[in-house]
Amino acid sequence: RKEVEQDPGPFNVPEGATVAFNCTYSNSASQSFFWYRQDCRKEPKLLMSVYSSGNEDGRFTAQLNRASQYISLLIRDSKLSDSATYLCVVAANFGNEKLTFGTGTRLTIIP
Amino acid sequence: EPEVTQTPSHQVTQMGQEVILRCVPISNHLYFYWYRQILGQKVEFLVSFYNNEISEKSEIFDDQFSVERPDGSNFTLKIRSTKLEDSAMYFCASKDLTSTDTQYFGPGTRLTVL
Repeated sequence: RKEVEQDPGPFNVPEGATVAFNCTYSNSASQSFFWYRQDCRKEPKLLMSVYSSGNEDGRFTAQLNRASQYISLLIRDSKLSDSATYLCVVAANFGNEKLTFGTGTRLTIIP
Repeated sequence: EPEVTQTPSHQVTQMGQEVILRCVPISNHLYFYWYRQILGQKVEFLVSFYNNEISEKSEIFDDQFSVERPDGSNFTLKIRSTKLEDSAMYFCASKDLTSTDTQYFGPGTRLTVL
């Protein structure tokens, strides 16, 4: 089983739609969870951290289910600028810890 | 906003040659990392560095790889004898002491081994 597994997509959705991504992770000892976005041939950029209680940042909502080892990202009212690859990222411990990346889900917003 | 910088943006080298990739982490950060991303694949951890020593390394980070912080600002990745399969995007990242695992990535160096 992959350490972090995501549907690679692509997801092609119309502007203004709501889109949801899911991710599962295999290491039950994982402590920190993130969504990063990566534009073509660019570096990963932190979109948001994911907390057990769920968290929201504007049009973006992230959820974590530790029992199912499942992370989700919801994007509401999608915009053309949301087109990117969304990376599910997990770290085993707090502190100086490597990040384990999923392969990413490619999203294209269609005008 | 402070950012991680990397040089060069693109490095082309012949197989068997040594390359040094350079990174300037964010100035008050204390944890440093190298990751790589082969074209079309996921980002993979190579090595983490703290307090002037390697704190963790992956299976990829074999004897051909080394890291160094030669002064107060630079953080380098050296590949001693490059192989074709070393062709990838190499990202440097840094993190400060207080944030919980928020790593900030540099723009990357694209390494092409011919």
